[in-house]
Amino acid sequence: GNSVTQMEGPVTLSEEAFLTINCTYTATGYPSLFWYVQYPGEGLQLLLKATKADDKGSNKGFEATYRKETTSFHLEKGSVQVSDSAVYFCALSVGPFTGGGNKLTFGTGTQLKVEL
Amino acid sequence: DGGITQSPKYLFRKEGQNVTLSCEQNLNHDAMYWYRQDPGQGLRLIYYSQIVNDFQKGDIAEGYSVSREKKESFPLTVTSAQKNPTAFYLCASSMNPQVTDTQYFGPGTRLTVL
Repeated sequence: GNSVTQMEGPVTLSEEAFLTINCTYTATGYPSLFWYVQYPGEGLQLLLKATKADDKGSNKGFEATYRKETTSFHLEKGSVQVSDSAVYFCALSVGPFTGGGNKLTFGTGTQLKVEL
Repeated sequence: DGGITQSPKYLFRKEGQNVTLSCEQNLNHDAMYWYRQDPGQGLRLIYYSQIVNDFQKGDIAEGYSVSREKKESFPLTVTSAQKNPTAFYLCASSMNPQVTDTQYFGPGTRLTVL
């Protein structure tokens, strides 16, 4: 089956520190990979995505590269801010479902806390 | 503005009662989804719908029901048969259910059973 494994949190960093959140996956087929971010009490927002090997997704200073050889999609940011404090979810999709549909499989999420 | 709305934001229910969570989208998306989120866990798929008047069970459909009478609406009913309904419920939509398309999420409804 499909699964996503993320590093456990919380991850606590000082402002302007370098961030890495590890994500590895197992998938039947050729997945698309996503990072979503969830701020307290809110829904999920798409942060970035990559649809094929060696693609790099990027947004708001965050980056992640689709590494097929290591089945990884690690999230990085060079200099975090207090406003980046949130929960980050790695996810994959190998849709369509049998019979149609597009299913996301999520990791358990990694909480990031950025302090001044 | 285009987006997904969920209501209410907070919902309280007594044991034994059914409750319906609303999800509306004006993105003209074909596919809609319901997920459940529990503390410290990822999201789990409850039901999904690719097209009006059609829907399929996800991984944890027991104790839930849905309908898709209109393209823009996909309400979720949490029935009394759901053993542990207290959770955060998220609705999502995507344009094309036949490809690995991006899913866009609503703000969520937090359901608490008293």
